[in-house]
Amino acid sequence: ETVLTQSPGTLSLSPGERATLSCRASQSVDRSYIAWYQQKPGQTPRLLIYGGFIRATGIPDRFSGSGSGTDFTLTISRLEPEDFAVYYCQQYGSSPLFTFGPGTKVDIK
Amino acid sequence: QVLLQESGPGLVKPSQTLSLSCTVSSGPISTGGNYWTWIRQYPGKGLEWIGHIYSGGNTYYNPSLKSRLTISLDTSKNQFSLKLTSVTAADTAVYYCARGVLNAYHNYFDPWGQGTLVTVSS
Repeated sequence: ETVLTQSPGTLSLSPGERATLSCRASQSVDRSYIAWYQQKPGQTPRLLIYGGFIRATGIPDRFSGSGSGTDFTLTISRLEPEDFAVYYCQQYGSSPLFTFGPGTKVDIK
Repeated sequence: QVLLQESGPGLVKPSQTLSLSCTVSSGPISTGGNYWTWIRQYPGKGLEWIGHIYSGGNTYYNPSLKSRLTISLDTSKNQFSLKLTSVTAADTAVYYCARGVLNAYHNYFDPWGQGTLVTVSS
């Protein structure tokens, strides 16, 4: 099983600041099979990034994904008020086919 | 735009069977290339992939649930369903249905249904 670890658990930042969220896999993952989701309180997870770096439809370009091997990053270049949420990474690979990280909460400092 | 909506009881007694359905709007569920997926989110917020059924009918289950799980397709109703037997309190979660995309280039889940809270309690 590929375990995903996300850090930090909570990131406290101010609007306008840059957010860097880490997702580390317990074994190498093809970047094509890394996705990122955003979840706001009381809402459904929303797809942000797939294929490691491809923004989903309608996602602003302040969101970017990068990384390879076991280390992947979601960067929000300048935080907007609506970006404060929980972010999950997800991978496809060994059994079970799909796993999610525990999430990083980005909250307002 | 594809929309998904879960339905089913919100309360299930321990040892009984949890049954949920997901209605897919906009396009036949049998359209190739889609993996109709169930995902759950525990009260502590962790997400777990439960399993999926390909539009052609093949199923793939999380090994941790495989012995209790059945996912099926009903093309006449444009729905897919989940049945989880012998539930315990550990199965209490918000259950989401989602469309999965998996090919040689990428994988993701989009869109997701609104989610339905299922509580296992007597």
